[in-house]
Amino acid sequence: EAQVTQNPRYLITVTGKKLTVTCSQNMNHEYMSWYRQDPGLGLRQIYYSMNVEVTDKGDVPEGYKVSRKEKRNFPLILESPSPNQTSLYFCASSSPSGGGGETQYFGPGTRLLVL
Amino acid sequence: GENVEQHPSTLSVQEGDSAVIKCTYSDSASNYFPWYKQELGKGPQLIIDIRSNVGEKKDQRIAVTLNKTAKHFSLHITETQPEDSAVYFCAASLTNFGNEKLTFGTGTRLTIIP
Repeated sequence: EAQVTQNPRYLITVTGKKLTVTCSQNMNHEYMSWYRQDPGLGLRQIYYSMNVEVTDKGDVPEGYKVSRKEKRNFPLILESPSPNQTSLYFCASSSPSGGGGETQYFGPGTRLLVL
Repeated sequence: GENVEQHPSTLSVQEGDSAVIKCTYSDSASNYFPWYKQELGKGPQLIIDIRSNVGEKKDQRIAVTLNKTAKHFSLHITETQPEDSAVYFCAASLTNFGNEKLTFGTGTRLTIIP
């Protein structure tokens, strides 16, 4: 089954304790992206990757890191989490054709609470 | 950058009636407009999309219209059913140097009243 998986699905942590949220897709997609969803703000892009070893900032990258060492995986790293990073996080992937507007497939989400 | 506004934020309709959700966007260069449905505890799932060279698209009970001049697009759901209850997001996409970034609206919580 074609899918995007995220782990963990739920996470409670404390300020300053480094954490990683994993994302994996089995569709051989080149493009992957991380979004955060907050009430009243919709989903906002954090980081994206156009292919292995190619990553760039989205709209809200502060406090986050990413890496893309393999095509299928795109982990999100919070080196020193703060309470304002409490949110619902989604990973997405797609296979761009170059003309734009390809369907993005979203993972099930990771709900993070930073105390 | 792109800004997408979505209205209403909540919408309740009787089962069998129609529902309409409207979005406006700011960047005239945006060329792709998907609609996502998010059910409780799940990630957004594409339900329909439209590209800037098309004015209307229909898929069974759902349809999307696009007015490029006015920079707005709408989702229409006819003959609503209880399983249509969810949060709906519109989005606008502008491919910029390979970044397929979606700019989302703030969402509409649709409730179908049996």
